[in-house]
Amino acid sequence: DAGVIQSPRHEVTEMGQEVTLRCKPISGHNSLFWYRQTMMRGLELLIYFNNNVPIDDSGMPEDRFSAKMPNASFSTLKIQPSEPRDSAVYFCASRDLAGGTQYFGPGTRLLVL
Amino acid sequence: QQQVKQSPQSLIVQKGGISIINCAYENTAFDYFPWYQQFPGKGPALLIAIRPDVSEKKEGRFTISFNKSAKQFSLHIMDSQPGDSATYFCAAWEDTGFQKLVFGTGTRLLVSP
Repeated sequence: DAGVIQSPRHEVTEMGQEVTLRCKPISGHNSLFWYRQTMMRGLELLIYFNNNVPIDDSGMPEDRFSAKMPNASFSTLKIQPSEPRDSAVYFCASRDLAGGTQYFGPGTRLLVL
Repeated sequence: QQQVKQSPQSLIVQKGGISIINCAYENTAFDYFPWYQQFPGKGPALLIAIRPDVSEKKEGRFTISFNKSAKQFSLHIMDSQPGDSATYFCAAWEDTGFQKLVFGTGTRLLVSP
């Protein structure tokens, strides 16, 4: 299996622009998680889905952030408009509800200028 | 309380020494305790995990010790090697309610040659 796939791996954008991060979970996994990692705040859970349905979005920092999972093999995290404080590494992870192990993707390193 | 408290924040160990990272939790509903290892530029990867019905689990040079009454668990890395230099996260999983992993703040380990 290819593991969790994220794109792009790096994104540099200017403040105010829309940013879309993409994730393809491991086939057969029915839970998907979006995390943000910064030096100051560590690893933060933003939102997670079970069977394509958002279960807990309490970690989404503000309305500028939105996430969708239109099907079992694809999810997006969108930031509109982006701000410099959004600069971080964003990870997607997936998990099989029965298995317990959560697998992370390689991350998207976002820099907002 | 959902937090998992991890210490130390950083650790320097000489090659061949023992690295010890400690975590503590409050929520007695947690029932799965994984440790993740993260190398620079990579996503966290599952290293070893334990359930609270055992007090110790060993995989190669890595051992988890679990103290249910004290609500503490620790990672021991025996014969630490420079290749073990990474950031280590403890986590706890609650299999009720929102079913999500709660991560510690991470420990940056440096094993000196």
